[in-house]
Amino acid sequence: DTEVTQTPKHLVMGMTNKKSLKCEQHMGHRAMYWYKQKAKKPPELMFVYSYEKLSINESVPSRFSPECPNSSLLNLHLHALQPEDSALYLCASSHVSGGSTGELFFGEGSRLTVL
Amino acid sequence: EDQVTQSPEALRLQEGESSSLNCSYTVSGLRGLFWYRQDPGKGPEFLFTLYSAGEEKEKERLKATLTKKESFLHITAPKPEDSATYLCAVRYSGGYQKVTFGTGTKLQVIP
Repeated sequence: DTEVTQTPKHLVMGMTNKKSLKCEQHMGHRAMYWYKQKAKKPPELMFVYSYEKLSINESVPSRFSPECPNSSLLNLHLHALQPEDSALYLCASSHVSGGSTGELFFGEGSRLTVL
Repeated sequence: EDQVTQSPEALRLQEGESSSLNCSYTVSGLRGLFWYRQDPGKGPEFLFTLYSAGEEKEKERLKATLTKKESFLHITAPKPEDSATYLCAVRYSGGYQKVTFGTGTKLQVIP
């Protein structure tokens, strides 16, 4: 069983809707990540939070807005998405030690469909 | 340009037929190479971390090895439940907080 929990598992939204994806981990990790994965493609990094601060934004459009309320929670707020944003959104976490980070542990993902 | 390439893209094996998957990388300052297994519609499941050339890790029917340019995932006597997409990923000094994934190898093991 994964120790990174993502909700909801499935989400269908229109292009004018506002929704959020949520992620929670209880492994004491201080780095958290959002990845986007399209069918038959590898995960692509979107955002990295380290000690609750945004450290990497891979030039993601502003219609995706990440938030890290505390060390265990990570949200991804969605607004005015496009059909091409339909994908599996994966949350991951990792240890931070000596300025470097280790292996990622992933949640089951949130399958997003934009109509 | 930093790259991670996996081969083959797809592999079909008979149950019990051993084989190897390849992950080659061209990054500067490798800080870790990871292997993951991903089932359809699920998040990647962590398998191994390798840090330096010559290192090996084993888990059940899987063995991962690392050289200065590539990593291999050896699958010994696979079973149908080993069918999945296997992803390798690297963390390197140019972007140590990033983990960059290869394109994956889809493995199918036939009974």
